Order: sequence, then C-alpha cells, then structure tokens
Amino acid sequence: DSGVTQTPKHLITATGQRVTLRCSPRSGDLSVYWYQQSLDQGLQFLIQYYNGEERAKGNILERFSAQQFPDLHSELNLSSLELGDSALYFCASSPGGGYGYTFGSGTRLTVV
Amino acid sequence: AQSVTQLDSQVPVFEEAPVELRCNYSSSVSVYLFWYVQYPNQGLQLLLKYLSGSTLVKGINGFEAEFNKSQTSFHLRKPSVHISDTAEYFCAVSLSTGAGSYQLTFGKGTKLSVIP
Repeated sequence: DSGVTQTPKHLITATGQRVTLRCSPRSGDLSVYWYQQSLDQGLQFLIQYYNGEERAKGNILERFSAQQFPDLHSELNLSSLELGDSALYFCASSPGGGYGYTFGSGTRLTVV
Repeated sequence: AQSVTQLDSQVPVFEEAPVELRCNYSSSVSVYLFWYVQYPNQGLQLLLKYLSGSTLVKGINGFEAEFNKSQTSFHLRKPSVHISDTAEYFCAVSLSTGAGSYQLTFGKGTKLSVIP
C-alpha cells in the first residue's frame, strides 16, 4: 500500500457519459497530480493541485476537469466520454519540492 | 521544455545476464531524476531517484543508476536479472515550473523481458 488511494479501481461506461475519479493523497502530502496512461500516448501529465489551488496544467482536454478539496482529496471529472478516453488514470501525491512522488494503483477506465 | 528519451522500447535479456536501460533528458537547469517500474496490471513503483550528491544511486531489487550531467543521462543497470524483473520501466524528470511547483515528466517506457 503506497498510501495514495484511488477509487474506483475499474470503471466501465458508455460514450457520452460523465465519470468522477477520486484520489486521496498520502498523509501530509499537499500536492496531487493526475496522469493518463494509454498505449499510444504513454504517461501524460494532466493537472496538478497544491493545497487546493491549481498549479500546473498539461495535456488535459477541455472535457476534463479536476479539483482538490479542503481535506486534500482530489477528483478528476471526465465528461462527454469518447472511446479514446479509455486508459489508466493515475494519481500521485507529493509533499512539494519536486523530490518525491507516490503513485496510487490507478483507475482503469473503459469506454464502450 | 523538458523531455525524457528512453532509447529502447523493448529489451530482451536472458536470466542472470546484466542489463542496462538507457535514459537521456533535456534540460538546461538542475533536475531531479527517477526510475519507476510498472509490473503487469499494477501501478508505478519507485525504483530509485537522484536528487543530489553521489552520481551512483542504488535502488530496490538490486538496481542502480548513474547520473551523468555532461551527457544528460541517467541509465539504469542491474548486474544479474531475474524472471521477476520482467516489467516496464519508466525514466522521469522532475523540474521546477516556478512558484514552488514541480512537474514530473515521463519517458515512453522500456519493456524488459527476461528470458529463462
């Protein structure tokens, strides 16, 4: 157990639907990062939050959004889902400083 | 922008043979460097990291990596691999994006296959 909890582990949904992925960071970590892992794109950085504030954006689609709540857990919202959104979504947490990142076990999203 | 290049997408190697997985990065400033391993159907596990100090870094499961600033490389090595080392390995670079934030950028991964 890495200390970073992601739920659900698996999600199957239809095209056009909306889903929410949840991440609880390791105790004490203020930063949360979201990554998408697909066969053709590899591991892509989506977005980062630090203590509730958005800090950096990567290759995140406009149909996707995220937020970090006061208790530091984070949610990634994916809407108007397409087949190509099928991927493994990872959350990572960090205390800050860029020297340590702990990953959750991921949520595997399948869009049918 | 920073980038990470893993020179080999697949590396087959016989059991008990040595292996080197290559990683080069591009950055004009100091970076932190990481190697992660992903076993089939699992998440990412940290193997080792370079933050500062000695350029030879030892990690878990007998892996080590050497930071070479002049060649901007961070190659991963193991003197004798086991079947259980079959996995995908990712090199990553952490770089400041300003205002105290850091971004971790990954290479495309190297699939290590250990042959009995």
